[in-house]
Amino acid sequence: TAGITQAPTSQILAAGRSMTLRCTQDMRHNAMYWYRQDLGLGLRLIHYSNTAGTTGKGEVPDGYSVSRANTDDFPLTLASAVPSQTSVYFCASSDSSPGTYNEQFFGPGTRLTVL
Amino acid sequence: GQNIDQPTEMTATEGAIVQINCTYQTSGFNGLFWYQQHAGEAPTFLSYNVLDGLEEKGRFSSFLSRSKGYSYLLLKELQMKDSASYLCAVMDSNYQLIWGAGTKLIIKP
Repeated sequence: TAGITQAPTSQILAAGRSMTLRCTQDMRHNAMYWYRQDLGLGLRLIHYSNTAGTTGKGEVPDGYSVSRANTDDFPLTLASAVPSQTSVYFCASSDSSPGTYNEQFFGPGTRLTVL
Repeated sequence: GQNIDQPTEMTATEGAIVQINCTYQTSGFNGLFWYQQHAGEAPTFLSYNVLDGLEEKGRFSSFLSRSKGYSYLLLKELQMKDSASYLCAVMDSNYQLIWGAGTKLIIKP
């Protein structure tokens, strides 16, 4: 089982350009999340989706958008990248059904550099 | 505001025991998680505590005191492969995870 995959693995992007980070899970988890991880800071939630068709804003949503057309996919789009969006981006998913820990499973991450 | 505190870095010796502390102040509490993250890799789940007390899982144990807003992760019989960052996270009243910055654990031979 692949679990969660992310693409690309890394990317260098010119400021002002747009980009979509892809995330796909095959565990049929209802909830999915996008985090950014910066040195010295904890993981910060950008956007989340509790179920297909719904999304919500996390702690740092500005400059990012998401969609959840189906259970498996949760793409993150940067409409006009800025250097402060240079970070490692992790996608995660969880099964929030009763009786579970609701622990999150993470993809391998995308390292994004905005110049 | 919500806050998770844990030491930035710790050093321990192979074969020894180390305790990594985590204190938290959050809006509500629906459980505390510990994750391990090796450099350049994704976080992986280690443990979950929702009730006070100690949860043991092999060489790793996790303790929770909800009244004190305190948890620790205990690693026994340290191995070189345990060199990693250990992340403490609390699930708040909205069932969102609030993450600490992580503790980098360095294991020396």
